[in-house]
Amino acid sequence: GENVEQHPSTLSVQEGDSAVIKCTYSDSASNYFPWYKQELGKGPQLIIDIRSNVGEKKDQRIAVTLNKTAKHFSLHITETQPEDSAVYFCAEGATGGGNKLTFGTGTQLKVEL
Amino acid sequence: EAGVAQSPRYKIIEKRQSVAFWCNPISGHATLYWYQQILGQGPKLLIQFQNNGVVDDSQLPKDRFSAERLKGVDSTLKIQPAKLEDSAVYLCASSLEGLANNEQFFGPGTRLTVL
Repeated sequence: GENVEQHPSTLSVQEGDSAVIKCTYSDSASNYFPWYKQELGKGPQLIIDIRSNVGEKKDQRIAVTLNKTAKHFSLHITETQPEDSAVYFCAEGATGGGNKLTFGTGTQLKVEL
Repeated sequence: EAGVAQSPRYKIIEKRQSVAFWCNPISGHATLYWYQQILGQGPKLLIQFQNNGVVDDSQLPKDRFSAERLKGVDSTLKIQPAKLEDSAVYLCASSLEGLANNEQFFGPGTRLTVL
């Protein structure tokens, strides 16, 4: 992967509302799209991922959607809670290619009480 | 299961000095990564090891950065001499294998400040 754009850079929501973070990529060979959550002072942690043969994946309150034609994918968090406050990074990679991940620039999510 | 260990957690040095970071990956993980994370940016891969061999070091500034994983387990990353722009968090990660869709487990990072 060469380039991943991530928006917004900051996002503030009220507790219980939904949050959506969007990423676009440029490499047509990309086939793996993980999302990482990074809390203050810690390393990133994988929260959900999606492969190119799937359009949507859900795990409890989080879901990811992928549009390969448009080359964009999104993270959806429903019923947000204060502990969801963190920096979220999208990434993309190509298995069988370079096998490395290219990360987006991050979204600072703040869930307000 | 123990996670990825890194030390030190923080380091402050003056420009032109040398510094070294250490990483111990999760036991049994063949692949080890070093990333540089500048404030406000996503992690950028510096080097990827598969066991004790280098898979990708295309973004490693080789005139000042070096890394090794001699026995295929723990690894060190060195900067000599450091520049102001090297101030960042250096993250180590490991995965079972080196495929892009293998989950990467990150350590807490070493925050480097170059004055």
